[in-house]
Amino acid sequence: QQQVKQSPQSLIVQKGGISIINCAYENTAFDYFPWYQQFPGKGPALLIAIRPDVSEKKEGRFTISFNKSAKQFSLHIMDSQPGDSATYFCAASIRYNTDKLIFGTGTRLQVFP
Amino acid sequence: DAGVTQSPTHLIKTRGQQVTLRCSPKSGHDTVSWYQQALGQGPQFIFQYYEEEERQRGNFPDRFSGHQFPNYSSELNVNALLLGDSALYLCASSLEPTSGKQFFGPGTRLTVL
Repeated sequence: QQQVKQSPQSLIVQKGGISIINCAYENTAFDYFPWYQQFPGKGPALLIAIRPDVSEKKEGRFTISFNKSAKQFSLHIMDSQPGDSATYFCAASIRYNTDKLIFGTGTRLQVFP
Repeated sequence: DAGVTQSPTHLIKTRGQQVTLRCSPKSGHDTVSWYQQALGQGPQFIFQYYEEEERQRGNFPDRFSGHQFPNYSSELNVNALLLGDSALYLCASSLEPTSGKQFFGPGTRLTVL
């Protein structure tokens, strides 16, 4: 019940294309859903986050779509660039406990010119 | 403004030994969380420190212990090392335990032989 399932494991996209990464959860107590970006040799960096009172949040080229009834959320990267090549992790946590994050297994994104 | 710093960068130990990893939080942050990231996996929450006390803990054995100092820096100690403890150990800091915005350090790569 504590798991967050992430797919795909790896993704190859051409420059300018749309990258889509999906996550699903079981624990209905989760109510904070961040996405992290991790480059080799670096720690994860917070990209964007959403709470379940909204269905979509956009920041620049990054959009989170959230489907509460399906218990799914996804990250869309528009106009993907080679500099976006990294590993992306979705995560979830419980209200008032937002620092205890449950992470997905990660998606390695490669954007080719 | 320095972000989260961790030391050492890399560490090699043998089974049965003990190790201490160190973390300095981002300036102004008072909460430190530790995560273990096995190769190819997402980070797993070990524990969190706030006001020099362990506030919450993940599913890790008592061999994993920690400490937070009055200047908010933190240590992670692992006793009786096992081969399976080989991983990247990440420290994350935040303004308060439920701020939702964690900043991760670059991690310490621990190899147990």
